[in-house]
Amino acid sequence: DAKTTQPTSMDCAEGRAANLPCNHSTISGNEYVYWYRQIHSQGPQYIIHGLKNNETNEMASLIITEDRKSSTLILPHATLRDTAVYYCIVRGDDSWGKLQFGAGTQVVVTP
Amino acid sequence: DTAVSQTPKYLVTQMGNDKSIKCEQNLGHDTMYWYKQDSKKFLKIMFSYNNKELIINETVPNRFSPKSPDKAHLNLHINSLELGDSAVYFCASSRTGGGAGELFFGEGSRLTVL
Repeated sequence: DAKTTQPTSMDCAEGRAANLPCNHSTISGNEYVYWYRQIHSQGPQYIIHGLKNNETNEMASLIITEDRKSSTLILPHATLRDTAVYYCIVRGDDSWGKLQFGAGTQVVVTP
Repeated sequence: DTAVSQTPKYLVTQMGNDKSIKCEQNLGHDTMYWYKQDSKKFLKIMFSYNNKELIINETVPNRFSPKSPDKAHLNLHINSLELGDSAVYFCASSRTGGGAGELFFGEGSRLTVL
């Protein structure tokens, strides 16, 4: 599976949109982009995933560039409960659930 | 009801002991996993089971033996515990292992080996 690069940390004001970038320049055609987050002392939580098209669900939006070499996770209205480590993961459809977690981005939402 | 539940949540034990962590999922999923998060916070897959069959064994020492009595359960038994086994162990499940799909993680079991 391709590796990803994310900023180590970022701060976001409560109520504002949080835009989390991720680079995955070696992604291959059958690999999806997944986002998970881990709130302190909890298990990782699935957020969203996509292949080519932009995706939106109740938690976030995922914007994937046309060349698929990078993506952005958008939390539209960050709350204090969104403070967590966010992981961008590229996963093939034959990976049998093998998620390769990197260091992720520590997001701190401040009042 | 908790979707993926692990017991115990905390486990403190001495080197050389044998311990088990249990995991149960009530989501009707076919595939279950064990992940390990070490002190540096990196999460790594250890095992993947599909319909009670071992699919992934990610170069884990033989002291670690997963057991899946049925699709809803995946237990982790660890023999001769070592200091380096101290970590948080997460169980997870998914509808299927192949193909795109989300993993549901438990809350983790923190193992401390003294």
